Amino acid sequence: DSGVTQTPKHLITATGQRVTLRCSPRSGDLSVYWYQQSLDQGLQFLIQYYNGEERAKGNILERFSAQQFPDLHSELNLSSLELGDSALYFCASSVRRAGPGDEQFFGPGTRLTVL
Amino acid sequence: GDSVTQMEGPVTLSEEAFLTINCTYTATGYPSLFWYVQYPGEGLQLLLKATKADDKGSNKGFEATYRKETTSFHLEKGSVQVSDSAVYFCALFTGRKTSGSRLTFGEGTQLTVNP
Repeated sequence: DSGVTQTPKHLITATGQRVTLRCSPRSGDLSVYWYQQSLDQGLQFLIQYYNGEERAKGNILERFSAQQFPDLHSELNLSSLELGDSALYFCASSVRRAGPGDEQFFGPGTRLTVL
Repeated sequence: GDSVTQMEGPVTLSEEAFLTINCTYTATGYPSLFWYVQYPGEGLQLLLKATKADDKGSNKGFEATYRKETTSFHLEKGSVQVSDSAVYFCALFTGRKTSGSRLTFGEGTQLTVNP
């Protein structure tokens, strides 16, 4: 158990809908990262938040947005869903903002299926 | 941009066989390098890491050496067990306090160990 929790575990929805994925980092971790794992794209970095502020953006679509709240939990919002958004979405957390050897601790993931 | 290339899988071995999974990278600066493992139905777990050239990371019998001259971080284990069956990801970490941080992952290598 990494200490990172993600809800829900599974999500099935239809095209065009909007969903929210939730992540609680390990106690004391200030950085939260979101990754998408799909069969065709592999594991891709989406976005990083540090202590409530966006710090880095990767291959995140404009239909997707995220935020980190004062209690440090984070939400990833996916809207106007398409079939291709079906994937496993991972949240990870780390203590610092950008330490070179900092380990990122991964949650169990949310499996999103868009029908 | 940064990228990681892993040997194509899947890899199937018999118990007690020697394992090598190749990983090469392209990056600016001096990234930290990681191997993560993903067991079926679970999130990613850090297996080992190296933060500078010639560092050797090791854990649970697995080893990898950060080779700057060949930009490689090959994973090795002398004698694999059935319980090592999983997907292995090579990753590089780039982080700057001014522009955030991220992990860039390779494609992943599925390892199956037969008794």
